[in-house]
Amino acid sequence: QKEVEQDPGPLSVPEGAIVSLNCTYSNSAFQYFMWYRQYSRKGPELLMYTYSSGNKEDGRFTAQVDKSSKYISLFIRDSQPSDSATYLCAMRGRGGSNYKLTFGKGTLLTVNP
Amino acid sequence: NAGVTQTPKFRVLKTGQSMTLLCAQDMNHEYMYWYRQDPGMGLRLIHYSVGEGTTAKGEVPDGYNVSRLKKQNFLLGLESAAPSQTSVYFCASSGQGLAGSSYEQYFGPGTRLTVT
Repeated sequence: QKEVEQDPGPLSVPEGAIVSLNCTYSNSAFQYFMWYRQYSRKGPELLMYTYSSGNKEDGRFTAQVDKSSKYISLFIRDSQPSDSATYLCAMRGRGGSNYKLTFGKGTLLTVNP
Repeated sequence: NAGVTQTPKFRVLKTGQSMTLLCAQDMNHEYMYWYRQDPGMGLRLIHYSVGEGTTAKGEVPDGYNVSRLKKQNFLLGLESAAPSQTSVYFCASSGQGLAGSSYEQYFGPGTRLTVT
């Protein structure tokens, strides 16, 4: 079993839809969870960052972590064509030696006008 | 701040040729990383560095070498390029988790390398 599983999609939605992107993981030591957005032919950029369980909201984006189920989600409300990108989840453990990230393979999202 | 920059942006090599990819960061980050990204494989860590003069192997280090002679620069070398090294290469940097510095990684724009 891979440490981080992410449905690669592709996911295609109409403008204004609510988008749900998800990752599951197997390593219970993971404590920090991130979502990166990667536009075509660009580098990944950090979008959301959460620690442990719970929700974090930033504008139209909400990151949710359920450590009991080893499941994280990113919700995008009122999706826009500019949200079209690949979304990568990433995670790491806690402590000085746990600086390396484990990435999901990414989900390709297209928001159609 | 330019953040993380990579040179060159594109390169085509013939099998057996060598080249060096340069990564530079202006965020005073201690940690730097080289990844490759291939369709269906996601981001895979090649080598990383936790400080000037240090390097370590990541998940897929074979065929690559690295050097970190200056804190702001991290070089990735291919001594004898192979078609299997055709990929997009990303450099990233992060702090070391101390006060005012986090482990979150910031990526460069990438280098597209084709080996024929």
